[in-house]
Amino acid sequence: ILNVEQSPQSLHVQEGDSTNFTCSFPSSNFYALHWYRWETAKSPEALFVMTLNGDEKKKGRISATLNTKEGYSYLYIKGSQPEDSATYLCASDSGTYKYIFGTGTRLKVLA
Amino acid sequence: NAGVTQTPKFQVLKTGQSMTLQCAQDMNHNSMYWYRQDPGMGLRLIYYSASEGTTDKGEVPNGYNVSRLNKREFSLRLESAAPSQTSVYFCASSGSLGQGDQPQHFGDGTRLSIL
Repeated sequence: ILNVEQSPQSLHVQEGDSTNFTCSFPSSNFYALHWYRWETAKSPEALFVMTLNGDEKKKGRISATLNTKEGYSYLYIKGSQPEDSATYLCASDSGTYKYIFGTGTRLKVLA
Repeated sequence: NAGVTQTPKFQVLKTGQSMTLQCAQDMNHNSMYWYRQDPGMGLRLIYYSASEGTTDKGEVPNGYNVSRLNKREFSLRLESAAPSQTSVYFCASSGSLGQGDQPQHFGDGTRLSIL
């Protein structure tokens, strides 16, 4: 079983701060890297699917980058808002249906 | 558009009882998955179905069985529930391998407690 690690485990920031967190994944047998946003009492919601080394994706104030050679992806949130409070999950996809999920970064944005 | 629907949302069982968790998707996805989520751990794959008519074991299949009833429905059965199976269970679906960048779409989860 391949390991996906996310850091930090949790993070508190003030409204308006920008923040970022890391997802580390095995670089061998790489097919895609997925980011999900998971609000309390809801289901994970897909943010990005990234496949190409150097790829950068953006959705509003949230963006992500990918380095497949060294096996990491960064998720950035610019100008954090209270509604950004959630757990952010990443998952490594080797193209075999067996996605490996990290344990997530829990973000709390304080008003 | 309902997406992925799981039933029930909550269930309490006694050790040794059996039950089936139901999952249905209306997105015409080929692939479906069952995960469990435990404190301090990532989502762990129990079983998956790459396409209608096929099922395969994931990381933690022991104590579970699945049925891909048709393209829409994928059920998870606990034949003899054990306290170690207390968890939150998520069903998910996605397009097939080779259809490009396909995220998984998740149901709202089933919170299962085994006493």
